Amino acid sequence: DVKVTQSSRYLVKRTGEKVFLECVQDMDHENMFWYRQDPGLGLRLIYFSYDVKMKEKGDIPEGYSVSREKKERFSLILESASTNQTSMYLCASGGLGIGELFFGEGSRLTVL
Amino acid sequence: RKEVEQDPGPFNVPEGATVAFNCTYSNSASQSFFWYRQDCRKEPKLLMSVYSSGNEDGRFTAQLNRASQYISLLIRDSKLSDSATYLCVVNKGGILTGGGNKLTFGTGTQLKVEL
Repeated sequence: DVKVTQSSRYLVKRTGEKVFLECVQDMDHENMFWYRQDPGLGLRLIYFSYDVKMKEKGDIPEGYSVSREKKERFSLILESASTNQTSMYLCASGGLGIGELFFGEGSRLTVL
Repeated sequence: RKEVEQDPGPFNVPEGATVAFNCTYSNSASQSFFWYRQDCRKEPKLLMSVYSSGNEDGRFTAQLNRASQYISLLIRDSKLSDSATYLCVVNKGGILTGGGNKLTFGTGTQLKVEL
C-alpha cells in the first residue's frame, strides 16, 4: 500500500522560530511537492522537487525553503515562522508522467 | 481570474439524488484534468481522471469541454458516503522538468448527502 508520511500532525510554534516539516514516501517516486491549504484559497503549491537535490519554486515560495537529500525524503523549512504561515501543510509525491499525486495526512501548523 | 474556478457550495442533496459539479479553467494549454475527493480533515485522493471523450466509473461520470474550458462531474444515486469536498484539478500545461505533472487545484465544491 502506498504511503506518504509526514512527521508531525500538529505543531505549535512561536513567531520567529525555525520550523522543519518532514515528508517520506515509500513509492520510489521522482516528484515530491509541498502544498499549503487554507479555507477559501484551496491548495497552493509552495515548492516541488523532481530529483534528489533538485528543487523548483511553486506559486508561493516566499518565506519557505526545501531540502531533498534523499529520493524518499522532502523537507519544508520555515526559517523564521510568522503568523501568516499558520496553515495545513500537505506533502505529496507522484511518478513520472502520472497525474495522480499521493498525499500525506497533513501537518497543521499554528504560529503564535 | 483564478486558474481553476469552482462553486464552493455546499450542495445539500437527499440520498439517491443526482448532482453535478462544474469547474472552469483559464489555461488553454492545460492537458490533464482530474477530480480529487477530500473528506473532512483528511488528505485529497484521486477520484478519477477526465478524458476528452468523457469517462464513467460506476456512479461517477466526468466530462471535459476543451472549447469552453469546462470540466464536470456527475454523481448518480448519491450515497451518504459521497459527502466530501470535490476538487477540480488541472495540469498547468506541459510536463515538469524531469517529468510528472504540476497540478493546480480548485478550492473545491462541498457536497452533503442527507437522509
